[in-house]
Amino acid sequence: SQKIEQNSEALNIQEGKTATLTCNYTNYSPAYLQWYRQDPGRGPVFLLLIRENEKEKRKERLKVTFDTTLKQSLFHITASQPADSATYLCALGDFGNEKLTFGTGTRLTIIP
Amino acid sequence: DAGVIQSPRHEVTEMGQEVTLRCKPISGHNSLFWYRQTMMRGLELLIYFNNNVPIDDSGMPEDRFSAKMPNASFSTLKIQPSEPRDSAVYFCASTLGQGDEETQYFGPGTRLLVL
Repeated sequence: SQKIEQNSEALNIQEGKTATLTCNYTNYSPAYLQWYRQDPGRGPVFLLLIRENEKEKRKERLKVTFDTTLKQSLFHITASQPADSATYLCALGDFGNEKLTFGTGTRLTIIP
Repeated sequence: DAGVIQSPRHEVTEMGQEVTLRCKPISGHNSLFWYRQTMMRGLELLIYFNNNVPIDDSGMPEDRFSAKMPNASFSTLKIQPSEPRDSAVYFCASTLGQGDEETQYFGPGTRLLVL
């Protein structure tokens, strides 16, 4: 069955450093991958989308990579700030299908 | 736009009672998704609709759960009878419903506690 794993439930990073979050999947060949941010008591909010034929996507301080050989996506936040503290979810999708399959998330804390 | 609206925001009920969760998608959005989120299982898709028609309900746990979308601006998720293991946060999300890769816009969720 499909399985999506995100690295460690919690990750603590010093302010100013780069935070790197991992999303690994098995028994799955997604056509695209999305990353969402979720703050406590709120619903997830979309951040970035990357397609299977794209190696890398950037948006301001965010960078996402997608390696279909390793079956892995990396999500980077450069020059991290305390306001970046949240839970980050990866979600995988297929062509011709609106469904997304979400990972369990990584809770990121940026320490001042 | 007000975004996706869910009600109630919190619900506490006793085992065996019927629970109805409500969702109003973003105006103009044609697809609506119901999710359940728990610490153990993360965010799970229960069912989704496109143009008010259920497309995939394979995530609905059992017959105690049912969902309806009588019109483009309203959907309900009903649990009858409720059990303590149904305690979770239930999210509704909507998209334009025009194809793949679409951003899902989530509501604030309903936190359900079944005693």
